[in-house]
Amino acid sequence: KNEVEQSPQNLTAQEGEFITINCSYSVGISALHWLQQHPGGGIVSLFMLSSGKKKHGRLIATINIQEKHSSLHITASHPRDSAVYICAVGKGNQFYFGTGTSLTVIP
Amino acid sequence: DGGITQSPKYLFRKEGQNVTLSCEQNLNHDAMYWYRQDPGQGLRLIYYSQIVNDFQKGDIAEGYSVSREKKESFPLTVTSAQKNPTAFYLCASSIQTEETQYFGPGTRLLVL
Repeated sequence: KNEVEQSPQNLTAQEGEFITINCSYSVGISALHWLQQHPGGGIVSLFMLSSGKKKHGRLIATINIQEKHSSLHITASHPRDSAVYICAVGKGNQFYFGTGTSLTVIP
Repeated sequence: DGGITQSPKYLFRKEGQNVTLSCEQNLNHDAMYWYRQDPGQGLRLIYYSQIVNDFQKGDIAEGYSVSREKKESFPLTVTSAQKNPTAFYLCASSIQTEETQYFGPGTRLLVL
């Protein structure tokens, strides 16, 4: 059983659509991270959350600690948002990673 | 400018060979990590180091070795004991463990 589950696994959207990617986890955590991996393989950290909500440009991340659930929203999606989005949770010295959501935004 | 670098970008290994993947950071981070990524799977932790001259095994350390002689450098050796080494290897660093991790560009290892 994975400690971190993401849905959907694959997502295709039209440019301009509002996108939601979900993450559920089963372990107690100190923080949750959303990462973006581009086709070349490089990974960029988007958000680190321990409670509430964070916003950066068109990206919004929320977390509900009681329900052990987080969502990543992308408003006004654009083809350059096409990437794999990975949810990761930190507990002590360990990180647990979801398998990622592959997003394709079509012009 | 600060960042984390990995080399080489692609690496080919013959069966029975040991190979070493380089990871260097100039972010003055104490913690460094090595992950392996396989298709359809999440990143899996191989080794991590919280401080110079100290490192700990992750979930899949068998067949791998590391050293942390300098704060900036955390090389990973893939030994011949690793039976299925073909994968994408990512190095990361953070100010301390449990903080945001910054990732290198990765190294693709292929066994011939």
